[in-house]
Amino acid sequence: EAGVVQSPRYKIIEKKQPVAFWCNPISGHNTLYWYLQNLGQGPELLIRYENEEAVDDSQLPKDRFSAERLKGVDSTLKIQPAELGDSAVYLCASSFASGNTIYFGEGSWLTVV
Amino acid sequence: GESVGLHLPTLSVQEGDNSIINCAYSNSASDYFIWYKQESGKGPQFIIDIRSNMDKRQGQRVTVLLNKTVKHLSLQIAATQPGDSAVYFCAEKAAGNKLTFGGGTRVLVKP
Repeated sequence: EAGVVQSPRYKIIEKKQPVAFWCNPISGHNTLYWYLQNLGQGPELLIRYENEEAVDDSQLPKDRFSAERLKGVDSTLKIQPAELGDSAVYLCASSFASGNTIYFGEGSWLTVV
Repeated sequence: GESVGLHLPTLSVQEGDNSIINCAYSNSASDYFIWYKQESGKGPQFIIDIRSNMDKRQGQRVTVLLNKTVKHLSLQIAATQPGDSAVYFCAEKAAGNKLTFGGGTRVLVKP
């Protein structure tokens, strides 16, 4: 069974440019998460979806970050415009439902120069 | 606010020895705890979990111990192997199903 799939794996962009990350969760998983991970730190939740509804986006910087999960399966996380401090790993994860074990993808590594 | 933290940032262990990774948590309302392993360049990988109504749970070569009295969680790895070299994170889940991670402990296995 395929795990959580993310793309691109690596992205280098200049500051003020936009960037988008895509995630395909494990089949059958209704809950999808986007986490931010800075070097040497644990992941921090940005947004959590239950099906197509964003049920927790309190940590998402809404001035420049946006996310969508239109059909309740795949999801996209966008940053526009990117800042130097956005350089980090963006992890997508999924679970059958909130409260169940969360499985992570390999992450999208962003470098803003 | 609530936080989950680790006592030791780096643990160096001889191959074949047992490893113990410790984690302190502060949210007494947390009812579910998870250990993740993260290898370089990869996402966190689920290792083992435990619910607050238990104090011990065993998996293959791993054991998680939960002491709610002192809000302490530990991961024991038996017969540590080179493939166990990674960063280990503990995480807790409280109301609202929000998973909060600690800062991570790096385990280095010496041959």
